[in-house]
Amino acid sequence: KAGVTQTPRYLIKTRGQQVTLSCSPISGHRSVSWYQQTPGQGLQFLFEYFSETQRNKGNFPGRFSGRQFSNSRSEMNVSTLELGDSALYLCASSSQGLTTNEKLFFGSGTQLSVL
Amino acid sequence: DQQVKQNSPSLSVQEGRISILNCDYTNSMFDYFLWYKKYPAEGPTFLISISSIKDKNEDGRFTVFLNKSAKHLSLHIVPSQPGDSAVYFCAAKNSGYALNFGKGTSLLVTP
Repeated sequence: KAGVTQTPRYLIKTRGQQVTLSCSPISGHRSVSWYQQTPGQGLQFLFEYFSETQRNKGNFPGRFSGRQFSNSRSEMNVSTLELGDSALYLCASSSQGLTTNEKLFFGSGTQLSVL
Repeated sequence: DQQVKQNSPSLSVQEGRISILNCDYTNSMFDYFLWYKKYPAEGPTFLISISSIKDKNEDGRFTVFLNKSAKHLSLHIVPSQPGDSAVYFCAAKNSGYALNFGKGTSLLVTP
């Protein structure tokens, strides 16, 4: 069974641009959640999608958005990039999602650098 | 506001000895706690978890202890091996809500 796949692996953007990251969950998993990892803040929850609906949202500005498709693949979009958005963006999938205590399976992440 | 705190950014332990990683939390509503391990260039992988109705859970070389009155949990690795060198994230949640992660502790196990 293939694991969680995130593309691209690395991205370099400039301030003001927008970026779209992709996450393909494990087959059969309906929940995809997104996290931002920075050295200063650790892992911070962005949002969760389950069956194409956003079910949970963290404390991030509206520049961060996402969506989920009918095949459970998810995309995350960041508009008007700021230097502080430079981070490793991780997605995780699970069968039933964050309303349960089941473990999450993480992808390897997309390293975003904003110049 | 950081509800899960890992106050030691790094820890160095000799191979064969015990590694103890600590985690504190502030939200008394948390009822489930997990540890994830992360190697460079890889995503975190689940290590071990504990429910708030227990005070100890063991899985091989890994044991998690929970002290609810102190809002403290710890991960013990015995014996430590060089392959255990990684960043360890403590996480906590209450039912129906998202995971709250700590900032991580980087463990180095030296031969």
